[in-house]
Amino acid sequence: AQSVTQLGSHVSVSEGALVLLRCNYSSSVPPYLFWYVQYPNQGLQLLLKYTSAATLVKGINGFEAEFKKSETSFHLTKPSAHMSDAAEYFCAVSALQGAQKLVFGQGTRLTINP
Amino acid sequence: EAQVTQNPRYLITVTGKKLTVTCSQNMNHEYMSWYRQDPGLGLRQIYYSMNVEVTDKGDVPEGYKVSRKEKRNFPLILESPSPNQTSLYFCASSSPGTSGEQFFGPGTRLTVL
Repeated sequence: AQSVTQLGSHVSVSEGALVLLRCNYSSSVPPYLFWYVQYPNQGLQLLLKYTSAATLVKGINGFEAEFKKSETSFHLTKPSAHMSDAAEYFCAVSALQGAQKLVFGQGTRLTINP
Repeated sequence: EAQVTQNPRYLITVTGKKLTVTCSQNMNHEYMSWYRQDPGLGLRQIYYSMNVEVTDKGDVPEGYKVSRKEKRNFPLILESPSPNQTSLYFCASSSPGTSGEQFFGPGTRLTVL
């Protein structure tokens, strides 16, 4: 079975500071990993995905994530936070290619302080 | 524009009154799913469908029904809603071979009194 743990339900950073959102996964097979963002009163938008190609994945809005198999981690980073990054972020795992179940973490709400 | 649409976006109802939340996608996707989002729990899959007339339970199917009579539509039915079904619901669609990436609708916020 697959599972995802996001460390920290709330993260607060200053504008211009580094953003680091942590995600650890558990999977019995090579995983496909995703980060989704949810802006207030909106649906989920894909930020980036890891599908067994490059371990450093670049996404939209300056975000990137690194797949580390030895640490079973897929942390999301952005060098310099912007006020518009305030949102809820979800890490998710899909076990097999074409599998239609995403298992989500609990979510991390990111707040940006001016 | 490629999209997943849901209706209604907001719904307040009372215990026991049957309701249907519609979901439609225009991307010709084979797969469709319903999730519910609750604080501190992330999103959990309710039901999914791999094609027309093919549906299966997700992690939290109790109290819900679905049907897939057309490829583009995947309605969620609550035959006798209860307050513990108050939640934010998302429909999603995807295609085989896309590594599991799913496209989400805007959500339906349901309150059951």
